[in-house]
Amino acid sequence: GENVEQHPSTLSVQEGDSAVIKCTYSDSASNYFPWYKQELGKRPQLIIDIRSNVGEKKDQRIAVTLNKTAKHFSLHITETQPEDSAVYFCAAENYGGSQGNLIFGKGTKLSVKP
Amino acid sequence: KAGVTQTPRYLIKTRGQQVTLSCSPISGHRSVSWYQQTPGQGLQFLFEYFSETQRNKGNFPGRFSGRQFSNSRSEMNVSTLELGDSALYLCASSGDRGPYEQYFGPGTRLTVT
Repeated sequence: GENVEQHPSTLSVQEGDSAVIKCTYSDSASNYFPWYKQELGKRPQLIIDIRSNVGEKKDQRIAVTLNKTAKHFSLHITETQPEDSAVYFCAAENYGGSQGNLIFGKGTKLSVKP
Repeated sequence: KAGVTQTPRYLIKTRGQQVTLSCSPISGHRSVSWYQQTPGQGLQFLFEYFSETQRNKGNFPGRFSGRQFSNSRSEMNVSTLELGDSALYLCASSGDRGPYEQYFGPGTRLTVT
């Protein structure tokens, strides 16, 4: 089955700097890679996702890149703000069953210092 | 559209008891997935239901079970509770297209004493 590794586990940046979180996956059949943001005490929120037929996707200050050959994908946050502080989870589709399910990385705690 | 809802939000149970958690998906969503979230293990997939059928299952013991009703609402049951079952249980719903664009509920915080 799918295995997802996420690095770093903690990341501290100054406000206005960029932050990059990287994930690797094991199943070359995976085609869907979402990112979730979870603020303290709240539910995970889908912030961006990418399909395997696309190499990069942007949404304002957030971008995700995918390298299918190397089996890794990354989340890039530019011009970070204190409200970006949260735990970020990457996930990959696990091709089990008829439609698959998501396997999550262990999370990255991002702290943005004002 | 209303978001995913879960009840109850908090639960305290004693070891050996059983518990039932409920999840109501976003209107029109037919897939409901359940996850266990713990500080050490992150988000771990329990199972997924679609049109009242379990479509996928993670690596959890048989004490963890679930079901889905015709209105897509889902329940999960944990029997013979153990201390290690203490966790945040999250459900997520998505449309017909599999695990794409899953939206999470607020979770049920289960504490086993």
